[in-house]
Amino acid sequence: QVQLKESGPGLMQPSETLSLTCTVSGFSLTSNGVGWVRQPLGKGLVWMGTIWAGGSTNYNSAVQSRLSISRDTSKSQVFLKMNSLQPEDTGTYYCAKQGGAAISFDYWGQGVMVTVSS
Amino acid sequence: DVVLTQSPATLSVTPGERISLSCRASESVDTYLHWYQQKPNESPRLLIKYASQSISGIPSRFSGSGSGTDFTLSINGVELEDLSIYYCQQGNSLPFTFGSGTKLEIK
Repeated sequence: QVQLKESGPGLMQPSETLSLTCTVSGFSLTSNGVGWVRQPLGKGLVWMGTIWAGGSTNYNSAVQSRLSISRDTSKSQVFLKMNSLQPEDTGTYYCAKQGGAAISFDYWGQGVMVTVSS
Repeated sequence: DVVLTQSPATLSVTPGERISLSCRASESVDTYLHWYQQKPNESPRLLIKYASQSISGIPSRFSGSGSGTDFTLSINGVELEDLSIYYCQQGNSLPFTFGSGTKLEIK
């Protein structure tokens, strides 16, 4: 069955670079896109970016200058790197499988909580 | 960016009620409008895609309608397990955007 699982550090300091990994199973990264969605504590969902089946990427302009999404298809992993972290980057980070042409998010990981604090 | 406005922000319901949640887009998104349910301390779950298409494993009491800028998620006979926050999301244009959510509470 389709599964996604995020991993990465829970506590970061301001100005550091965040690195998260999304390990997927049950589908191929060369056939499906994977997106990253952030949720500040107690707030709503914000799309950050997507890496598509062909390897191209799209980013939300709000974080585009700081964000990079890449993948290793041999390991079924998608990576998020975001630099110059600030306290407002605190929240739960989800990776989610893109649902084909619908551009929905049809499967989600459990999420990883990231706190940015000195 | 397409702004999705959800209303009401909070809805108090009685189990067994039929309810409707609204999602209005700032410009047409055709039918690239999807609905998610997020229970406390859980990940979001896709409920409805393409405005009205059902998802395998989702109870039939959930249905969606609309196109263009006005969309509705209906729950026919609310159950206690439906207490959640419901989000709409558009996939018609970048950046993909979500509504701010409607929180379902028990009256």
